[in-house]
Order: sequence, then structure tokens, then C-alpha cells
Amino acid sequence: EDKVVQSPLSLVVHEGDTVTLNCSYEVTNFRSLLWYKQEKKAPTFLFMLTSSGIEKKSGRLSSILDKKELFSILNITATQTGDSAVYLCAVGCNNNDMRFGAGTRLTVKP
Amino acid sequence: KAGVTQTPRYLIKTRGQQVTLSCSPISGHRSVSWYQQTPGQGLQFLFEYFSETQRNKGNFPGRFSGRQFSNSRSEMNVSTLELGDSALYLCASSISRDWAWEQYFGPGTRLTVT
Repeated sequence: EDKVVQSPLSLVVHEGDTVTLNCSYEVTNFRSLLWYKQEKKAPTFLFMLTSSGIEKKSGRLSSILDKKELFSILNITATQTGDSAVYLCAVGCNNNDMRFGAGTRLTVKP
Repeated sequence: KAGVTQTPRYLIKTRGQQVTLSCSPISGHRSVSWYQQTPGQGLQFLFEYFSETQRNKGNFPGRFSGRQFSNSRSEMNVSTLELGDSALYLCASSISRDWAWEQYFGPGTRLTVT
């Protein structure tokens, strides 16, 4: 059975800290791994990683994909209170069959 | 470019009624997926459409159905509503990139069943 597991489930840090969120997966027909940020509304797209793009960076956020070990990490440096959200990892398989993890709830305290 | 739009944004229905939710994908996106999100169950996949064909389906009862039109717009229908159907219903549209699908969510429709 396909699995997408995120860890930790929740995390509390202080502003300025660096955090690393993990996503491991076991799926058939892997095509991509996507990261989303969800505050009190719909998930917002952050990155998509594929075989041809295993590292992505945007400002203080960066992500890598390890296709051999079947995991991805999302790194946030110099965290701010606005980074507080649930971060979702999703694995895309053939025909846009998407599997989501349960999410990591990040709380950044001032 | 406009994002994914969903209508209505909020809806209150009574048990036993039916409801239709609408989704307009980002221009050029041909795949549309639907999800149900509740505090207890998280994000649950309902179904996905591409070129008016349902390609993938989650584990929901037959009361949940959907369709996609030739302009890629999609609707989902829930018949005989139950209290447990109260949730945020999210539509996502996808575009093919690097042999994969890049998916973007709409703002959601919050359905309350009383």
C-alpha cells in the first residue's frame, strides 16, 4: 500500500531558528514530490521536485529530493512568525494520482 | 493568470439534500482533482478528471460524483447529504511539467450540513 509519512507531526520553534521537515514515501510509479503550505485556508504550492529537478530554493525555503532513499526535506531558515502553518507533502504518481501526508504543524514563536 | 476559482465559497445545507460545487481551473490546466478536508481526517482524495474522463477515484461512497466539461471546468455533486459531509471541499487544477503534474489548489468551498 502506498505511504507518505511526514515527521515530525508538530514542531515549535522561535523566530530566527532553522527547521527541517521530513517526508518519506513508498509508492508505485513515482513521478514527483510536492510541498504545500497551509494556513487557515487552502494549501499554497511551494515546490515540485522530480527526477530532473531534485533541488529547489526560494528565498528562505529550500527542498531536496533523495530518490534513492525515498525521502525529501523542506528547510526553512531564519524562521518568522508568518511561517507558522501546516506543511503538506504530496507524492504524485502516474496520471496525477496524488498521495498526501498528514502534514507537519509548525509554530514559530516571537 | 487567474488562479483556481470555486463557487460557492460557503454553503449551508440540510441533511438529505443534495449539493453541486463548481470549479474553474487555471487557464491551460486540463486536470482537475477534488479533495475533502476535515479536522479529523485531513486531506482526503475524492476524484480526478482529465479530458472529461475520471482517471482516479478515492474511497468515497457513490453519493459523491463529479464530472468535467470540455472547457476543463468541473463540478462535484453530493447527494443525500449527511452531517459527516460537513467539510472544506478543495478543487485543484494541474498542468503537466517534467513528466509530472504540478497541482494548485483553489480557495475551497466550506459546506456545513445541519
